[in-house]
Amino acid sequence: GNSVTQMEGPVTLSEEAFLTINCTYTATGYPSLFWYVQYPGEGLQLLLKATKADDKGSNKGFEATYRKETTSFHLEKGSVQVSDSAVYFCALRAGANSKLTFGKGITLSVRP
Amino acid sequence: DAGVIQSPRHEVTEMGQEVTLRCKPISGHNSLFWYRQTMMRGLELLIYFNNNVPIDDSGMPEDRFSAKMPNASFSTLKIQPSEPRDSAVYFCASSASLEKNQPQHFGDGTRLSIL
Repeated sequence: GNSVTQMEGPVTLSEEAFLTINCTYTATGYPSLFWYVQYPGEGLQLLLKATKADDKGSNKGFEATYRKETTSFHLEKGSVQVSDSAVYFCALRAGANSKLTFGKGITLSVRP
Repeated sequence: DAGVIQSPRHEVTEMGQEVTLRCKPISGHNSLFWYRQTMMRGLELLIYFNNNVPIDDSGMPEDRFSAKMPNASFSTLKIQPSEPRDSAVYFCASSASLEKNQPQHFGDGTRLSIL
């Protein structure tokens, strides 16, 4: 079956620090990969996606590269801001009639 | 463009009452998903539809839960009778199709409290 594993949280960083959130997956077939962000009191928002190996998704300074050889899709940002404080979910879709399979999410807190 | 619209945003009711949550997907989207989110269990997929037809309802916790999609622009999730353990945030999401490269777009959720 399909599964997504995210690093354990929470993560607390100072403003302008470098961010890496690890995500690895197992999937039957060739999945598409996504990162979603959930700000307090809101629904999940698509942050970025990649649909094939070596694709790099990017948005709002965040990046993630689809690494088929290591089955990973790690999220990075060079300089985090307080406004990036949120819960981040890694997810995949694979196969026909596919639903999203989510990781457990990780809470990021950025302090001034 | 209008996103996924859910109503109500908040619902507080007493146990035993019927609760109906509503969702309007993004126009033109053919797939609709209902999720539940709690601190203990995280994000759970309850049921999803494609072209108004339920595809997988294996996530629906009990017979007290039911979902319908009478047309392409409206879906309901009903709990009858409601219980305190149903308290959660319920999200609706839609996507253009079930193709794997299509992301899901989420509504802002309904925060449900059963007293």
